[in-house]
Amino acid sequence: AQSVTQLDSQVPVFEEAPVELRCNYSSSVSVYLFWYVQYPNQGLQLLLKYLSGSTLVKGINGFEAEFNKSQTSFHLRKPSVHISDTAEYFCAVSEGGNTPLVFGKGTRLSVIA
Amino acid sequence: KAGVTQTPRYLIKTRGQQVTLSCSPISGHRSVSWYQQTPGQGLQFLFEYFSETQRNKGNFPGRFSGRQFSNSRSEMNVSTLELGDSALYLCASSGRLAGRDTQYFGPGTRLTVL
Repeated sequence: AQSVTQLDSQVPVFEEAPVELRCNYSSSVSVYLFWYVQYPNQGLQLLLKYLSGSTLVKGINGFEAEFNKSQTSFHLRKPSVHISDTAEYFCAVSEGGNTPLVFGKGTRLSVIA
Repeated sequence: KAGVTQTPRYLIKTRGQQVTLSCSPISGHRSVSWYQQTPGQGLQFLFEYFSETQRNKGNFPGRFSGRQFSNSRSEMNVSTLELGDSALYLCASSGRLAGRDTQYFGPGTRLTVL
């Protein structure tokens, strides 16, 4: 069975500083990996996804993530955060096809002015 | 293009009652998935419907059920509500648009059980 571990439940960071949100997964088969963002009182918005090909994936809002198969990780990074990036971030894994998403517990990113 | 619509946005019920939530997917999408989000358990998959058929089911009791109509709109029903059913219920619409696989989440229905 698949599982996702987001190692940090909360990450405070100053505005314009870089940030990395960590995600590790376990699965016995090839996986698809996703990062979603959730703003207060809203649904989930897809930031980026890895399906195949280049291990460095660029997403919206200046975010990127790198798939590392040997370390079973898919960490999310942004070189310079803004106040508007304050939100909850979820890493998710799927085995593709019609299989459902399995989510991590989320990381609350707080950007401090 | 209209987004995924969920109604109602907020709902308050008491224990033992039942509730029906609705999700209208993106035009052209035929798959609707439902997720439950709680502070303790996080986001958990409930079920997925495709062309009016349940294609996947998560690990939830039989009190949770769903269906999909011919226009791809989906409803989920929870009977005999328990306090622990208080959650944000999200639906996701999936399909192929302009040659690309796409998925969008709705804003959710926040259910409070008293």
